[in-house]
Amino acid sequence: QLQLQESGPGLVKPSETLSLTCTVSGGSISSSSYYWDWIRQPPGKGLEWIGSIYFSGSTYYNPSLKSRLTISVDTSKNQFSLRLNSVTAADTAVYHCARRTREAGSDYWGQGTLVTVSP
Amino acid sequence: DIQMTQSPSSLSASVGDRVTITCRASQDIRYSLAWYQQKPGKAPKLLLYAASRLESGVPSRFSGSGSGTDFTLTISSLQPEDFATYSCQHYYKTPLTFGGGTKVEIK
Repeated sequence: QLQLQESGPGLVKPSETLSLTCTVSGGSISSSSYYWDWIRQPPGKGLEWIGSIYFSGSTYYNPSLKSRLTISVDTSKNQFSLRLNSVTAADTAVYHCARRTREAGSDYWGQGTLVTVSP
Repeated sequence: DIQMTQSPSSLSASVGDRVTITCRASQDIRYSLAWYQQKPGKAPKLLLYAASRLESGVPSRFSGSGSGTDFTLTISSLQPEDFATYSCQHYYKTPLTFGGGTKVEIK
């Protein structure tokens, strides 16, 4: 059974960098069939796609975050990561990682991790 | 970016009711639409993809229809475990976007 688990600090100061890692177990991140997504949900609000990475390293970013965002993959560790710099309170959210197929949406999700941006 | 407009934003219904939620895309997305169910404190769960294909393990009371810009999620007979928030998402091209969500509450 595929599992995804987010990890990283739960509290980040304004103007600093938010860094999260998603560890994939029970399957290979190197499969050519999938994209690996980061999605976030501010408290009480809807879902926002942050960006995706393919095992080859190709990345796809939300234009609204592109200038602050880096997504990377480490196939040797079966992990992919998110770095969002210059954070503000508006970046406070539950951050999820997920697996997505090209033609079928996101079928496996991590449980999510709350990241709060506060002094 | 493709905007996804979902309606209603909330609804109250009783067990056994038929419930319909709609999602409209700002441009043609063909069949590239997924529906998710989310319960408080949990990750979204994929219900349907390609507008009408049921994800494995999802009860058959859930169904989807539509193509192009207009889509519908139907729950044929609402069960107690179906009270949740439902969101649509297009995956036609990046950036992917979600609808604002529909909260289904107990009447």
